[in-house]
Amino acid sequence: AAGVIQSPRHLIKEKRETATLKCYPIPRHDTVYWYQQGPGQDPQFLISFYEKMQSDKGSIPDRFSAQQFSDYHSELNMSSLELGDSALYFCASSLIVLAGGNEQFFGPGTRLTVL
Amino acid sequence: DAKTTQPTSMDCAEGRAANLPCNHSTISGNEYVYWYRQIHSQGPQYIIHGLKNNETNEMASLIITEDRKSSTLILPHATLRDTAVYYCIGYNAGNMLTFGGGTRLMVKP
Repeated sequence: AAGVIQSPRHLIKEKRETATLKCYPIPRHDTVYWYQQGPGQDPQFLISFYEKMQSDKGSIPDRFSAQQFSDYHSELNMSSLELGDSALYFCASSLIVLAGGNEQFFGPGTRLTVL
Repeated sequence: DAKTTQPTSMDCAEGRAANLPCNHSTISGNEYVYWYRQIHSQGPQYIIHGLKNNETNEMASLIITEDRKSSTLILPHATLRDTAVYYCIGYNAGNMLTFGGGTRLMVKP
């Protein structure tokens, strides 16, 4: 079965540079979520999109922005990178149904290292 | 979202059942109990979920108390590949998953 695809898998950037992470959800899934996981920490929710509209927002810095495109893929744009942005970034997708079965399926993650 | 409480860590012998408890006394009536696990640096993996009734799938069983204040995830025959951090989460469809704490399960030979 198709899974969530994330690219790139690894990314190394310098401070103050920009980065773009991409996420391709499972086909027919209508919701995309982004999570950030710092070293030794639990995943933290950043932002989500339902049917290409932002649906929820977590602890996402103002330097970050995201969008979901007409083909449902999503991109997380990160500017003015800081050392503290070094983390694993996970994308998840789900299909929202009225009753149950709304589990989120996670991609393999993008490991961002800021030097 | 409901606040959940789990043991920080647990050990289990390979081939034995692993029983992972979770307290979620503040869970609301329409929140499901979801379990995820994360094997080192991989994306979190969905295991099972339930609302009121006990549930079973090919990975695990979920036992939810009648008052819904606690639940237990059961891995019937733990293997070394089940070593991971297990998260119990109170969840509504479309909302964010709030990962907090979790139980680090170590399956030993």
